[in-house]
Amino acid sequence: AQSVTQPDIHITVSEGASLELRCNYSYGATPYLFWYVQSPGQGLQLLLKYFSGDTLVQGIKGFEAEFKRSQSSFNLRKPSVHWSDAAEYFCAVGARLSGNTGKLIFGQGTTLQVKP
Amino acid sequence: EAGVTQFPSHSVIEKGQTVTLRCDPISGHDNLYWYRRVMGKEIKFLLHFVKESKQDESGMPNNRFLAERTGGTYSTLKVQPAELEDSGVYFCASSQGWRTLQETQYFGPGTRLLVL
Repeated sequence: AQSVTQPDIHITVSEGASLELRCNYSYGATPYLFWYVQSPGQGLQLLLKYFSGDTLVQGIKGFEAEFKRSQSSFNLRKPSVHWSDAAEYFCAVGARLSGNTGKLIFGQGTTLQVKP
Repeated sequence: EAGVTQFPSHSVIEKGQTVTLRCDPISGHDNLYWYRRVMGKEIKFLLHFVKESKQDESGMPNNRFLAERTGGTYSTLKVQPAELEDSGVYFCASSQGWRTLQETQYFGPGTRLLVL
């Protein structure tokens, strides 16, 4: 069965420090992978997505993610964190089942706290 | 352009009562999704509409949940009768186009349902 694991429930980093949020997936073929962010009181916003091609994907707000098939990972990175990046981050895989479904399977989320 | 809107933002009801959640997708988006996040758990897919048709309802937990999308515009999700385990945040998302997994899903802020 398809699944997504985000091993870190909470992460705290200092403003200006680098960030890496981990995501591992279980899927039999090349997955469609996504990172979403949810700020307090807001809906989920798409940061970036990977379907095929270059395994290093650039997203909005200075985020990037790298698809590593050998490790079944799609980790999210940012070189320098800003206080406004404090939010909850979700990794998701698209369920490429039979039929034209757009079903997303989410990890449990990682809450990022940014220290001044 | 207005985003995905959901109503109400919060709902507190007693076990056994009925609650109806509403989602207004982005205008012109054929795909509409419902997801749910139970406290402490991951966001889980409930169902997917393409226009007014249910494309995938594999995530609906049981027959106490009824989703409709009359006329292919807004959607309602009714829970009748509500149980304690139905508490959580219900998200709606919409996307445009037929390549469903490749289309960005735009999420609403969610409805927080508490069943007492």
